[in-house]
Amino acid sequence: GAVVSQHPSRVICKSGTSVKIECRSLDFQATTMFWYRQFPKQSLMLMATSNEGSKATYEQGVEKDKFLINHASLTLSTLTVTSAHPEDSSFYICSARPPEGWKVQYFGAGTRLSVL
Amino acid sequence: AQTVTQSQPEMSVQEAETVTLSCTYDTSESNYYLFWYKQPPSRQMILVIRQEAYKQQNATENRFSVNFQKAAKSFSLKISDSQLGDTAMYFCAFLTRTYNQGGKLIFGQGTELSVKP
Repeated sequence: GAVVSQHPSRVICKSGTSVKIECRSLDFQATTMFWYRQFPKQSLMLMATSNEGSKATYEQGVEKDKFLINHASLTLSTLTVTSAHPEDSSFYICSARPPEGWKVQYFGAGTRLSVL
Repeated sequence: AQTVTQSQPEMSVQEAETVTLSCTYDTSESNYYLFWYKQPPSRQMILVIRQEAYKQQNATENRFSVNFQKAAKSFSLKISDSQLGDTAMYFCAFLTRTYNQGGKLIFGQGTELSVKP
């Protein structure tokens, strides 16, 4: 099956710093990528939809200035958590959708962010 | 707005037995997809099975099958011959086509399944 690589798998940072998470589709071009946040023992909550070459669409309640999303190419989307605080600590998951299949999403392995 | 409800936060089953996980959803759409995803302790999301709403036949994938009741908006997952490797969080998900023609997944709360030896 298609592979989506997410990096880093785990990151620990100090409060006030920014952290960038990368999501790459390795063997297909992804016109659309999605970013989710997951708290322990809870469901995946969609944060934003990232479309190549255009601005991301954020879900209600998600701070776009806090969570910067860039989808600069057909294989790479990045999520930057700016001025991270302990409450931003969470598990972040990306998924990618190939252009021919709106019903298909391939998931990355996730990034565990811990803000001290 | 679409919603997905999983009313069983935790379930357990003995190895080799059968277990059914429940899922209900609410939508006004007629064309959509339903999914069951598995999230093992590694946290990697794995697609278990997919059902197309316009197909009446229930989807099956080896030991996994669904009972899709469109009128009742119910979509349960049956796992036969449970194996220790089936231990995971299971999420029911609904895929809408109404969002930028790309579809966004709406997940249920999840059911944590433990398979006991």
